[in-house]
Amino acid sequence: AQSVSQHNHHVILSEAASLELGCNYSYGGTVNLFWYVQYPGQHLQLLLKYFSGDPLVKGIKGFEAEFIKSKFSFNLRKPSVQWSDTAEYFCAVNGKEYGNKLVFGAGTILRVKS
Amino acid sequence: EPEVTQTPSHQVTQMGQEVILRCVPISNHLYFYWYRQILGQKVEFLVSFYNNEISEKSEIFDDQFSVERPDGSNFTLKIRSTKLEDSAMYFCASSKLETLGQFFGPGTRLTVL
Repeated sequence: AQSVSQHNHHVILSEAASLELGCNYSYGGTVNLFWYVQYPGQHLQLLLKYFSGDPLVKGIKGFEAEFIKSKFSFNLRKPSVQWSDTAEYFCAVNGKEYGNKLVFGAGTILRVKS
Repeated sequence: EPEVTQTPSHQVTQMGQEVILRCVPISNHLYFYWYRQILGQKVEFLVSFYNNEISEKSEIFDDQFSVERPDGSNFTLKIRSTKLEDSAMYFCASSKLETLGQFFGPGTRLTVL
């Protein structure tokens, strides 16, 4: 069965530090990959997505993610975090062979200290 | 920017009662989904709906659950006889095409006493 692993449950960074959140998936087919963000008190918002093409995808608010097929990974990065990036980040995957339901990772809570 | 909306934001019910959770997907979207998140656990898929029928459902989505699109704008999730373990945050999502990103509503927190 397909699954998604996020390596860190809690991350604490100072403003201007660089961010990398790990995501690995187990999936036996062509994948679509997503990162969602949930700011405190708000709903899940799509941060970025990968379907095909350039494995380095850029999303909103300066975030990017790199799909490395050989490592089954889709790590999220941001060169310099801000206090307003404090949120929970979810990696998710779907694919045609398994229907289009999203399979989510457990989420990573990011706290940025000002 | 259009958004998915959900009502109510919080529903408290007694065990064994029926609840209906409501969602208004983005208007030109064709695919609709329900997910839930039990406190401290992952977001889990419940059901997907397209062309007025269920296209996929998970093991969680048993006979106690049903979905409906009664009027072309609302998308509802009904739990016939709630159990304590149904307490969770329920998210509705919609997408324009199967392969595009899904847009989520703010969720309904269901508390079963």
